[in-house]
Amino acid sequence: GQNIDQPTEMTATEGAIVQINCTYQTSGFNGLFWYQQHAGEAPTFLSYNVLDGLEEKGRFSSFLSRSKGYSYLLLKELQMKDSASYLCAVIGSWGKLQFGAGTQVVVTP
Amino acid sequence: EAGVVQSPRYKIIEKKQPVAFWCNPISGHNTLYWYLQNLGQGPELLIRYENEEAVDDSQLPKDRFSAERLKGVDSTLKIQPAELGDSAVYLCASSPEGDVYEQYFGPGTRLTVT
Repeated sequence: GQNIDQPTEMTATEGAIVQINCTYQTSGFNGLFWYQQHAGEAPTFLSYNVLDGLEEKGRFSSFLSRSKGYSYLLLKELQMKDSASYLCAVIGSWGKLQFGAGTQVVVTP
Repeated sequence: EAGVVQSPRYKIIEKKQPVAFWCNPISGHNTLYWYLQNLGQGPELLIRYENEEAVDDSQLPKDRFSAERLKGVDSTLKIQPAELGDSAVYLCASSPEGDVYEQYFGPGTRLTVT
């Protein structure tokens, strides 16, 4: 079976750093995505990792360890607009994108 | 460039009634996906099209759900008859040919079945 786990909710203060962990067990692996989804809106692409290591893109960074089935999304210099759900998703066999349940990040003043 | 367009944005129907959702993908995107998203959950794939061919419909409940993409552009997802448990957000996404890895999502249709 396929399993993607991430925490349900995290709270952090404006200007702080938050790290959202994701562990996965999937049949086949062709890459891992992070999406951001504000309430009532479409998921929007944040990052894609297919090789081990850290990918940095502005305030957001994503890390992947394929041997550990582990990824994290790092959000730096948190802003109020970063309050959203963050979805970890894995491309497994046959190109199918499998999503985790999402982590609701709450940024407080 | 216009994004993925979906309509309606919201729909309220009584159980046992039929309902249809429409999606127009980004121009030039040959791959189209329909997802179902329950509250507090991630999207779950219902069906994937490559042009007009459904290449993965293993998660589509075929007793009541159907989909079509006749000309390989826009697509319709239908539920008949709807059940209370079908209340969810139905998301459409598209990606360019040969690149199934970056999917662009539409705003979704929020269905409420009463």
